[in-house]
Amino acid sequence: DSGVTQTPKHLITATGQRVTLRCSPRSGDLSVYWYQQSLDQGLQFLIQYYNGEERAKGNILERFSAQQFPDLHSELNLSSLELGDSALYFCASSPTGRGGSGGARDTQYFGPGTRLTVL
Amino acid sequence: AQTVTQSQPEMSVQEAETVTLSCTYDTSENNYYLFWYKQPPSRQMILVIRQEAYKQQNATENRFSVNFQKAAKSFSLKISDSQLGDTAMYFCAFMKHGNTGTASKLTFGTGTRLQVTL
Repeated sequence: DSGVTQTPKHLITATGQRVTLRCSPRSGDLSVYWYQQSLDQGLQFLIQYYNGEERAKGNILERFSAQQFPDLHSELNLSSLELGDSALYFCASSPTGRGGSGGARDTQYFGPGTRLTVL
Repeated sequence: AQTVTQSQPEMSVQEAETVTLSCTYDTSENNYYLFWYKQPPSRQMILVIRQEAYKQQNATENRFSVNFQKAAKSFSLKISDSQLGDTAMYFCAFMKHGNTGTASKLTFGTGTRLQVTL
């Protein structure tokens, strides 16, 4: 168990709908990352938050948005869903910014993922 | 931009034997980290091992060790005394070294599916 939690585990919805995926980082971790794993695109970085602020954006669609709340949990919002959005969505957290040294500070620990199926 | 290449889509090894998974990467960065993550059938992403590029010594974690060749940009994973529980997809990943609070995304390879057989 990595200490990162994600809800829900599975989500089935229809095209055009909107869903929210939730992530709670490991206790004390300030950085949260979202990744998408799909069959055709592999594992892709979507977005990073650090202590409530957006820090980096990857291949995230305009229909997708995220935020990190004061208690450090994060939500990924996916709207106007399309069939191609079906994927496994991972959240990860790292101690980056809490101190510590090098790799230990920046290592990312993953949650169990949310499997999204768009019908 | 960094790229990570895993040229072995699938591999098989017998229980108790040793297997090596290959990974090469391309970057102009000098300070970075390399990781191997394991994804078993449960789909959970599990950290296997980490290597800091500035360290010459190869990382080791129990039965898992790496052969890090910085000049060749090669980062292979050796699994000794393979066990059935090692059956999984293995991903090699690259991360730029960042300062405190700065972004450090992971760039993944396409993965190697490892099957451990009796």
